[in-house]
Amino acid sequence: EAAVTQSPRNKVAVTGGKVTLSCNQTNNHNNMYWYRQDTGHGLRLIHYSYGAGSTEKGDIPDGYKASRPSQENFSLILELATPSQTSVYFCASGDRLGGSQNTLYFGAGTRLSVL
Amino acid sequence: GDSVTQTEGLVTLTEGLPVMLNCTYQTIYSNPFLFWYVQHLNESPRLLLKSFTDNKRTEHQGFHATLHKSSSSFHLQKSSAQLSDSALYYCALSDPPGGNYKPTFGKGTSLVVHP
Repeated sequence: EAAVTQSPRNKVAVTGGKVTLSCNQTNNHNNMYWYRQDTGHGLRLIHYSYGAGSTEKGDIPDGYKASRPSQENFSLILELATPSQTSVYFCASGDRLGGSQNTLYFGAGTRLSVL
Repeated sequence: GDSVTQTEGLVTLTEGLPVMLNCTYQTIYSNPFLFWYVQHLNESPRLLLKSFTDNKRTEHQGFHATLHKSSSSFHLQKSSAQLSDSALYYCALSDPPGGNYKPTFGKGTSLVVHP
């Protein structure tokens, strides 16, 4: 079973502060993704990466940066957190090789509250 | 770009009745990968079933779906709903190798099964 670990699981931040959400996967997947989930909006893609050193903008990248320093790690950075970024964030990994067809494996999620 | 449209909002069923959640898609590719993910309360999404073969029924945990490329559909069905089926369901599409790296998700369907 694919393993994706997110940290922290819960985070309370102040408006204007910097927040870093971390994600680690041990499956050697090439692709990694950051989503946020809000009631009524489903899963919305923020940033994604198809390998170490690459980051791509998703559908709602404004206010977020991403970093993929290695195959295993993918971080989401909120330089200046705002209350509108209060949400549940999911990291996922996947790979189109080996017949997996880019099946996504999700981490447990990070609940972020920006006050 | 790709798009996925699924039964939106809330579906409420009585235990024992059949389940059908609709999913249709649009893509330029003739061989996309289609997925259903399920997310139970306070959990992360996980794969329920997937397919890329036209007109072949795929089954898992009592649910089934058949990819019909002629109608661009991948509806999720179950013959008899159980209380434990109450969850959020996402239909998703992934391009074949050579296509886009980011999967496309529908907005999700919340299924509530009551006694």
